[in-house]
Amino acid sequence: DVKVTQSSRYLVKRTGEKVFLECVQDMDHENMFWYRQDPGLGLRLIYFSYDVKMKEKGDIPEGYSVSREKKERFSLILESASTNQTSMYLCASRREGNYGYTFGSGTRLTVV
Amino acid sequence: QKEVEQNSGPLSVPEGAIASLNCTYSDRGSQSFFWYRQYSGKSPELIMFIYSNGDKEDGRFTAQLNKASQYVSLLIRDSQPSDSATYLCAVRPPGGGNKLTFGTGTQLKVEL
Repeated sequence: DVKVTQSSRYLVKRTGEKVFLECVQDMDHENMFWYRQDPGLGLRLIYFSYDVKMKEKGDIPEGYSVSREKKERFSLILESASTNQTSMYLCASRREGNYGYTFGSGTRLTVV
Repeated sequence: QKEVEQNSGPLSVPEGAIASLNCTYSDRGSQSFFWYRQYSGKSPELIMFIYSNGDKEDGRFTAQLNKASQYVSLLIRDSQPSDSATYLCAVRPPGGGNKLTFGTGTQLKVEL
């Protein structure tokens, strides 16, 4: 069964901490994405990557960075966590062509 | 105008009825269309995709696409309480591209 695995289901971090969210896929997909999901706002794209070491900003990249050193792993970094970054974070991957996303199970991050 | 629009609901239907979920999109050249189901607290899962005008059936689910009118629908026959979830419409933009654009979702409640 193909999978996108997010390292943590729930995280609680303090304001100002540097936070790493990890995502690993085992489907050899070229494209990987980080979204956050908030009530009433839907899914908002933070960053995506279409190849190793490549990244592009999404709609809300401020306060975030990403790293993709290997094809299967895409990391989201909150440089200095703030309370407005409390959210559900969803990683997804997609292969080239007319295909949809496969989502990970999500990480619910609370910044206190 | 939002790129992908859905009525937020909730849409309430009795058990056994047909649930009809609608989605409109703004980019006329959009190529492919996806329906995701998301249970509360869980990540979205792909249930249907459609590329060509007309209907596509998969079990109790039927996706309908009308490119001239720029809408895509999801019909759920014989609705069950387990179908109660939020349904997200996603569109691949003109020119392909690696990202999908999501609507904010319609909440469906199937009542006993």
